[in-house]
Amino acid sequence: QVQLQESGPGLVKPSETLSLTCTVSGGSISTYFWNWIRQPPGKGLEWIGYIYYTGSTNFNPSLKSRVTISVDTSKNQFSLKLSSVSAADTAVYYCVRDTRGGSDILTGHFDYWGQGALVTVSS
Amino acid sequence: QSALTQPASVSGSPGQSITISCTGTSSNVGSYNLVSWYQQHPGKAPKVMIYEVSKRPSGVSNRFTGSKSGSTASLTISGLQAEDEADYYCCSYGGSNTLVFGGGTKLTVL
Repeated sequence: QVQLQESGPGLVKPSETLSLTCTVSGGSISTYFWNWIRQPPGKGLEWIGYIYYTGSTNFNPSLKSRVTISVDTSKNQFSLKLSSVSAADTAVYYCVRDTRGGSDILTGHFDYWGQGALVTVSS
Repeated sequence: QSALTQPASVSGSPGQSITISCTGTSSNVGSYNLVSWYQQHPGKAPKVMIYEVSKRPSGVSNRFTGSKSGSTASLTISGLQAEDEADYYCCSYGGSNTLVFGGGTKLTVL
């Protein structure tokens, strides 16, 4: 059974960089698209971006200038960095697998989710 | 990219049917059969209920059906049960390997 687990600091200061890592167990990180999705408290879901095991990425245009997603296939992990954070970036951050459906495009069919990591931006 | 438009809330009595709409544009919902629906209970991660407009993952009740007409996708839940009370989100492919979510709909089972 595939499992995803987010890890990283739960508190980040304004203007600093938020960093999270997702460890994938029970399956290989090769194949599939690996995504980050966030949810501010009491609000809806927002897609942040994805990475393929080859290193290919794409991001939500609204966040693109501040987001970096990387992958470490040797550790079966992928990571998120979000720079210049503000209180508006306070959210639960989920790492999520997109099935790809056998194609080379995102499908939005997310079959495995991490439990979510709450990151608070505050001084 | 703008979020897809969903009603903020819907409600129904046990046994009834409800439909949640998800309105996009010709840049997302209207151009791709890549619409999915997620159910989220408080404090839990979302769970996929429908993908590729109308496909149900294994284990999801056949009371959940998805459809699409033009730039509007819909999720219908028949035979409402208390356990269906949750937030529901639609998600669509937005072109160029991007995705966009709806704002979410709170379903109340009366």
